[in-house]
Amino acid sequence: EPEVTQTPSHQVTQMGQEVILRCVPISNHLYFYWYRQILGQKVEFLVSFYNNEISEKSEIFDDQFSVERPDGSNFTLKIRSTKLEDSAMYFCASRADPDEQFFGPGTRLTVL
Amino acid sequence: GESVGLHLPTLSVQEGDNSIINCAYSNSASDYFIWYKQESGKGPQFIIDIRSNMDKRQGQRVTVLLNKTVKHLSLQIAATQPGDSAVYFCAENLGSNTGKLIFGQGTTLQVKP
Repeated sequence: EPEVTQTPSHQVTQMGQEVILRCVPISNHLYFYWYRQILGQKVEFLVSFYNNEISEKSEIFDDQFSVERPDGSNFTLKIRSTKLEDSAMYFCASRADPDEQFFGPGTRLTVL
Repeated sequence: GESVGLHLPTLSVQEGDNSIINCAYSNSASDYFIWYKQESGKGPQFIIDIRSNMDKRQGQRVTVLLNKTVKHLSLQIAATQPGDSAVYFCAENLGSNTGKLIFGQGTTLQVKP
């Protein structure tokens, strides 16, 4: 069964450093998403991406965040200058149908 | 405002019993609802969904009920098994064509053998 994959599974970085989280959505999916989950809290929407552009973003997704689909398979989330409060699980999701989103296993980001 | 919430943070059931997990939502414009299961260290896993033009939908051992009058969603799991132990989230789409999902806080289901 096709699945969304994410790398790395765990990323540790120093505050102020740039990080890039990578995702490979399910092939033939057209809609891509990033969500985050702070430890013990609910999953929060960050951004949606369709047709090579951001279609919607949340208040969390400020100028420090960016997304890119550099080729036909990868979908990346970049945080330019990480803050302590960026520590969370980051989930990538993709969908083809109008509704069902498939989530990846997540990347745990730890900012020291 | 946008909010999706769950009534109980933890639900403990005996193996073989039926489980009911509840969720309240506040936005009348929501037209699509999903239940996700999240096991420790993993991403949310789709369980079942329902559109706002339906009241009930059944899957394998799971049933989702939607009461639009009181803005209430429930997930029923029949013959709960130890493998069902996880955190369950309800999520809603507010009618956005981007597919953005708003998640609730989550209910931890503990299945006692």
